[in-house]
Amino acid sequence: DAGITQSPRHKVTETGTPVTLRCHQTENHRYMYWYRQDPGHGLRLIHYSYGVKDTDKGEVSDGYSVSRSKTEDFLLTLESATSSQTSVYFCAISGTEVLSLHFGNGTRLTVT
Amino acid sequence: ELKVEQNPLFLSMQEGKNYTIYCNYSTTSDRLYWYRQDPGKSLESLFVLLSNGAVKQEGRLMASLDTKARLSTLHITAAVHDLSATYFCAGGSASNTGKLIFGQGTTLQVKP
Repeated sequence: DAGITQSPRHKVTETGTPVTLRCHQTENHRYMYWYRQDPGHGLRLIHYSYGVKDTDKGEVSDGYSVSRSKTEDFLLTLESATSSQTSVYFCAISGTEVLSLHFGNGTRLTVT
Repeated sequence: ELKVEQNPLFLSMQEGKNYTIYCNYSTTSDRLYWYRQDPGKSLESLFVLLSNGAVKQEGRLMASLDTKARLSTLHITAAVHDLSATYFCAGGSASNTGKLIFGQGTTLQVKP
């Protein structure tokens, strides 16, 4: 397995609370991504990073922010969680050539 | 903006039969990826196709890419139950800072 760890694995939170998901890699890869997976929508890109402090928006970035202060960590923050953000969140990493994405095990987030 | 569409979204087939999953994409994409996901699990990389006419095979799965038609196919030969999973294609560009867009996924169910 590529060295990628997501935390927490499961979280239940209330509407309106802030939530931060963490993705940690030990591969020293350049690219890191956050996707959400929902039935009928496949995987949708939220934000991605192409280097430390270099991030960009994906398809569904509203309501989410990210930070990457060091190569190994990519944080996804829901500023004020809503029920529509209930989903499974996957982090992925890739080297410079982007020959393949390696995915973490996912975080199942439930917003009540 | 790149859009990726797969069809069919659901496929039920008998063991021993052949079938093809189609992946269409809307704009120029340097490369095309195929992934497999088992229920409740993360995504596993199957193939990356880097040029027009590229063909890759692994066991009963064969993927091809036609960049002129903006089409990739995943062909399943003599399906077995172990191939039951959801298959995703994703398009991306090496020049687009590694951004990958996924299709909706095709859920394959292989019946004995």
